[in-house]
Amino acid sequence: QKEVEQDPGPLSVPEGAIVSLNCTYSNSAFQYFMWYRQYSRKGPELLMYTYSSGNKEDGRFTAQVDKSSKYISLFIRDSQPSDSATYLCAMSVGGGADGLTFGKGTHLIIQP
Amino acid sequence: NAGVTQTPKFQVLKTGQSMTLQCAQDMNHNSMYWYRQDPGMGLRLIYYSASEGTTDKGEVPNGYNVSRLNKREFSLRLESAAPSQTSVYFCASSLAGGRNEQFFGPGTRLTVL
Repeated sequence: QKEVEQDPGPLSVPEGAIVSLNCTYSNSAFQYFMWYRQYSRKGPELLMYTYSSGNKEDGRFTAQVDKSSKYISLFIRDSQPSDSATYLCAMSVGGGADGLTFGKGTHLIIQP
Repeated sequence: NAGVTQTPKFQVLKTGQSMTLQCAQDMNHNSMYWYRQDPGMGLRLIYYSASEGTTDKGEVPNGYNVSRLNKREFSLRLESAAPSQTSVYFCASSLAGGRNEQFFGPGTRLTVL
């Protein structure tokens, strides 16, 4: 079983809809959780960063972490065609300089 | 600030050739990373450097070497390229390790024939 599971999609929704993207993980030592957006043939762009459990909101984006269920979510409100991209969840234990463990990414399509 | 920059953007190699991928950051970050991204596999860590003068293996280090030239620069070398190393390579940096956000460069798209 891979450490981080993420549905690859594609997930297609109409413009203006609320989008819910999710990841589950198996390593209970993960403490730092990130969401990246990646446009085709570009580098990952950091969207949200959270520590431990709880919610964090930034504009149209809300990140949720439920460590008891080992489940994280990213919500996008009032979705726009420009939100069409691949969304990657990533997490780390936070010790030393350990790298991130990524999900495989969800391909999101916002239909105009 | 340019953030994280990578050169070259694209490269085609023949099996057995060598090359070095360059990465630089101007954010005064201590930690730097190399990842590869393959279809269906996601991003996987190759090597990382916690701070200037230190390097460590990640999940998929075989066939690669790295050099932390100074605080700004972290290079990845393929000594004898193989078709299995065809991938997109990303460099990233963070202020101090896994507790901090990582910022990524634009990537190098490498094809090994």
